[in-house]
Amino acid sequence: DAMVIQNPRYQVTQFGKPVTLSCSQTLNHNVMYWYQQKSSQAPKLLFHYYDKDFNNEADTPDNFQSRRPNTSFCFLDIRSPGLGDAAMYLCATSKTGENYEQYFGPGTRLTVT
Amino acid sequence: GQSLEQPSEVTAVEGAIVQINCTYQTSGFYGLSWYQQHDGGAPTFLSYNALDGLEETGRFSSFLSRSDSYGYLLLQELQMKDSASYFCAVRDQAAGNKLTFGGGTRVLVKP
Repeated sequence: DAMVIQNPRYQVTQFGKPVTLSCSQTLNHNVMYWYQQKSSQAPKLLFHYYDKDFNNEADTPDNFQSRRPNTSFCFLDIRSPGLGDAAMYLCATSKTGENYEQYFGPGTRLTVT
Repeated sequence: GQSLEQPSEVTAVEGAIVQINCTYQTSGFYGLSWYQQHDGGAPTFLSYNALDGLEETGRFSSFLSRSDSYGYLLLQELQMKDSASYFCAVRDQAAGNKLTFGGGTRVLVKP
């Protein structure tokens, strides 16, 4: 089945130790998104790609970076995780012009110790 | 910018009907989406309204009134598995490829 896959599902990192989360998709969608979601809150968009065109949200901390080496893969790098970065990180995709219907991966729950 | 308001929590019994309202403020409005998210799970797309009126998909329906900047999600014949958070999300011309999500409504279904 076509889908959005995120690895790992659970990630524990130490304060200040860089961490990379990965996302892959078999839907062949042009647009990929990274969201941060904290408990009982709405998903908060960090950035998105339209093909290789990178779009950063104005309030996304510099601590967060992203790479999209090809259509299928996207990575979220957190350079120096703080305790406040503990959250669920969701990757999503959509077709061009159909951003109203986004396909989400299962998420990676990040714990910072 | 955009803003969306929806109730934080709704409780109902199995078999009942629940309506989750969403009001929004945005310029260049394109449409309103609804997503369901179970605890620990990923959001899943439920429906999208770009035009005024009611869209029905099985037990769930979604309504939009563009003139009132208002929409709702109607959950009928509630089942225990419908216990989840429900998010409305605005598609906005100024936001390009993005969606702006509301704060979510937690629906608790009791036996």
